[in-house]
Amino acid sequence: DGGITQSPKYLFRKEGQNVTLSCEQNLNHDAMYWYRQDPGQGLRLIYYSQIVNDFQKGDIAEGYSVSREKKESFPLTVTSAQKNPTAFYLCASSISYATYEQYFGPGTRLTVT
Amino acid sequence: KNEVEQSPQNLTAQEGEFITINCSYSVGISALHWLQQHPGGGIVSLFMLSSGKKKHGRLIATINIQEKHSSLHITASHPRDSAVYICAVKGSGPSNYQLIWGAGTKLIIKP
Repeated sequence: DGGITQSPKYLFRKEGQNVTLSCEQNLNHDAMYWYRQDPGQGLRLIYYSQIVNDFQKGDIAEGYSVSREKKESFPLTVTSAQKNPTAFYLCASSISYATYEQYFGPGTRLTVT
Repeated sequence: KNEVEQSPQNLTAQEGEFITINCSYSVGISALHWLQQHPGGGIVSLFMLSSGKKKHGRLIATINIQEKHSSLHITASHPRDSAVYICAVKGSGPSNYQLIWGAGTKLIIKP
């Protein structure tokens, strides 16, 4: 079955530690996205990648980093510089950056204490 | 003011009721997207529309481009419809590929 996987579903970290969230897709999509979701707010774009070896900052990139070394994978690192890292993180992909429809993974809930 | 506003924020109804969720936007758009987010967090696409009306099962989505407004209707609502419903718009213009997201409407259907 084609789809997007994110792991783990729940992640707990101590303040000051970097943490990497995994996102893998087998849909052969060129574009991938990372969103952050906080209670009562719409999704906010952290980073996106139009194609392998390329990525661009979204609206709230500070304190985050990404890589896109393989078409299938777009890991997100939440660094210690991110002031409020506790949130629900969603990864998505689309056939191309110009394509409207995005397909979402199940999400990772990160709690930093 | 957000560019995409949804109302109501929260909605609780009894099983069988007709449900309406609204989405208003203030930017020019090329398309509007309705999505459903289940309690576990996963998001699935329901409709994409740029004009008129679409129907899938008990779900109906309409859009009025002139009034910059869309509605999502659920007929014969069921507890399994309980979820957060999210509206997102794609701006018009060749370089405007990012989606602008509403905050979501949390729907609870009681048996």
